[in-house]
Amino acid sequence: AQKITQTQPGMFVQEKEAVTLDCTYDTSDQSYGLFWYKQPSSGEMIFLIYQGSYDEQNATEGRYSLNFQKARKSANLVISASQLGDSAMYFCAMREAYGNNRLAFGKGNQVVVIP
Amino acid sequence: DTEVTQTPKHLVMGMTNKKSLKCEQHMGHRAMYWYKQKAKKPPELMFVYSYEKLSINESVPSRFSPECPNSSLLNLHLHALQPEDSALYLCASSRDLAAMNTGELFFGEGSRLTVL
Repeated sequence: AQKITQTQPGMFVQEKEAVTLDCTYDTSDQSYGLFWYKQPSSGEMIFLIYQGSYDEQNATEGRYSLNFQKARKSANLVISASQLGDSAMYFCAMREAYGNNRLAFGKGNQVVVIP
Repeated sequence: DTEVTQTPKHLVMGMTNKKSLKCEQHMGHRAMYWYKQKAKKPPELMFVYSYEKLSINESVPSRFSPECPNSSLLNLHLHALQPEDSALYLCASSRDLAAMNTGELFFGEGSRLTVL
């Protein structure tokens, strides 16, 4: 069964606007972690943000924030003030059970920022 | 620039060839990983090394053989590959396995492999 679902088609975003990338997950664990990674065309996966299942505050890292709705099992990424360099593939991932050492990735969202 | 260096960036090999992918990090990390990523797909975990010992093998075919000769280096030896093995092979490292659990995973830019 798919554990991470990212269903949005490719997105075009105007520079300086905000964009929200949807991610829903499926787990029966109480302790888990949610991550967002960015993959530009160069291929490197870049870690953006992390949310632990017990964290009460939504995670923020600069222009990135994670809208964590535990009851709905969603972990949407919000990128504020988009920049041209934000054009990339974005992957949501989950680590079940601390110590599992495995990440389950979603299929990704393609984002293109236009000037 | 990424602090995880992978060579070569591109590799074309025949099904009878033997080749190796190399990964190097100098961040003092003690956990290193190999992922495989097919085009337009998410990365899939292949192997995890912790303190130079193999910790996880995700049932990868034996034609892929990992090696961790020291804490800075991770190799992936390739032999008798199939065309369907063509993919981007990503190496990653983390301070230790615990750090990975909070996302502190650093990836290289990958080695793009084509098997003819």
